[in-house]
Amino acid sequence: QSVLTQPPSVSGAPGQRVTISCTGTSSNIGSRYDVHWYQQLPGTAPKLLMYADTYRPSGVPDRFSGSKSGTSASLAITGLQAEDEADYYCQSFDSYLGGSVFGGGTKLTVL
Amino acid sequence: QVQLQESGPGVVRPSETLSLTCTVSGGSFSSSYWSWIRQPPGKGLEWIGYINYSGSTNYNPSLKSRVTISVDTSKYRFSLRLNSVTAADTAVYYCARREGGYPNWHFDLWGRGSLVTVSS
Repeated sequence: QSVLTQPPSVSGAPGQRVTISCTGTSSNIGSRYDVHWYQQLPGTAPKLLMYADTYRPSGVPDRFSGSKSGTSASLAITGLQAEDEADYYCQSFDSYLGGSVFGGGTKLTVL
Repeated sequence: QVQLQESGPGVVRPSETLSLTCTVSGGSFSSSYWSWIRQPPGKGLEWIGYINYSGSTNYNPSLKSRVTISVDTSKYRFSLRLNSVTAADTAVYYCARREGGYPNWHFDLWGRGSLVTVSS
């Protein structure tokens, strides 16, 4: 059972927009700790996709955007492409645990 | 550019100690914090802990009693030891660079991962 809750799967057709939610509690996202997102392509290591809620590392397309409100955060992907098919994970800090926590991951399928 | 590479045995017997090393190349070792993260087959990510160049550590409370992370600055590498392993410790173990200040850090660089199977 992950501390941060994500939907197990989402899907969308090429060109569409999808969002992936990440729900936490008052000891993590609700305490305004930053939320970060990772993309894991099949058989590879996770790659940083978004950091500090809304910032994209160099090389990440602006089709990816992040937001946060209350105890939840979201990752939005517009103009969906076949290469976006991957697992996505959110991560934040939890003050009760005193360290990093991850969501359980969301598998994105491009139809 | 900075690269991370995990190394260590692929199979560990139950009740024994898992040992992995991460070698860092191509960048400044002493200015960063270094982490271990694991992923059981078909499951999500779990943060294990981190260390900095001076040896300051922070561990996941769920693993703290069994984990030791150490650093060898002369060889630009850091290591993970997890004792009393069981099948539940079977996972791909990643080393990663921790970026950002406490507590809002993230992991901006990752190794390719090392699969460790606990089996007799």
